[in-house]
Amino acid sequence: SQTIHQWPATLVQPVGSPLSLECTVEGTSNPNLYWYRQAAGRGLQLLFYSVGIGQISSEVPQNLSASRPQDRQFILSSKKLLLSDSGFYLCAWSVSSGLYNEQFFGPGTRLTVL
Amino acid sequence: SQQGEEDPQALSIQEGENATMNCSYKTSINNLQWYRQNSGRGLVHLILIRSNEREKHSGRLRVTLDTSKKSSSLLITASRAADTASYFCATDESGGSYIPTFGRGTSLIVHP
Repeated sequence: SQTIHQWPATLVQPVGSPLSLECTVEGTSNPNLYWYRQAAGRGLQLLFYSVGIGQISSEVPQNLSASRPQDRQFILSSKKLLLSDSGFYLCAWSVSSGLYNEQFFGPGTRLTVL
Repeated sequence: SQQGEEDPQALSIQEGENATMNCSYKTSINNLQWYRQNSGRGLVHLILIRSNEREKHSGRLRVTLDTSKKSSSLLITASRAADTASYFCATDESGGSYIPTFGRGTSLIVHP
């Protein structure tokens, strides 16, 4: 069976510090991978998605970047965090066939920038 | 941009009652999905309905889709306290990348 892991679960970082959030998927090959951010009481904002190693599409220009160094690894990074980067970050995967795009979500990382 | 918008934003009911949530969207779609999110957790997929389907059931869940009105509804029958969660609809646009776009969700509270 497939599982998706995210860590850390919670993170408190000062403004201007770097960020690295990691997501890994087990039990599937060549998944589509996604990073979302969810502000309090809001829906999910798609930040990045990837259809393969080294292939990253950015949906919203901002202070963040993403990388996919391995097939089942997706990393969200920032060189200098802003207060507005606070939120709940969710990683998700879906099968690459794409026609019925059910997504499977990780448990999320709660990021607080102070 | 937000494609699906859920209504109401918040819903409070008693255990045993039915809960109905609606989702409206703007453009033609391939599929519409409903997800559930418990507080502070990831989303869990509930049900997917294709654009050529009108109704789908899964346990106590009933989803309808009206493409002429660009709307969908999620009905939870005989609700339980454990159904307390936020519910999101997600749509992907026809001719698009099949990446679902999520609404802001309906927050459901079921009182025991």
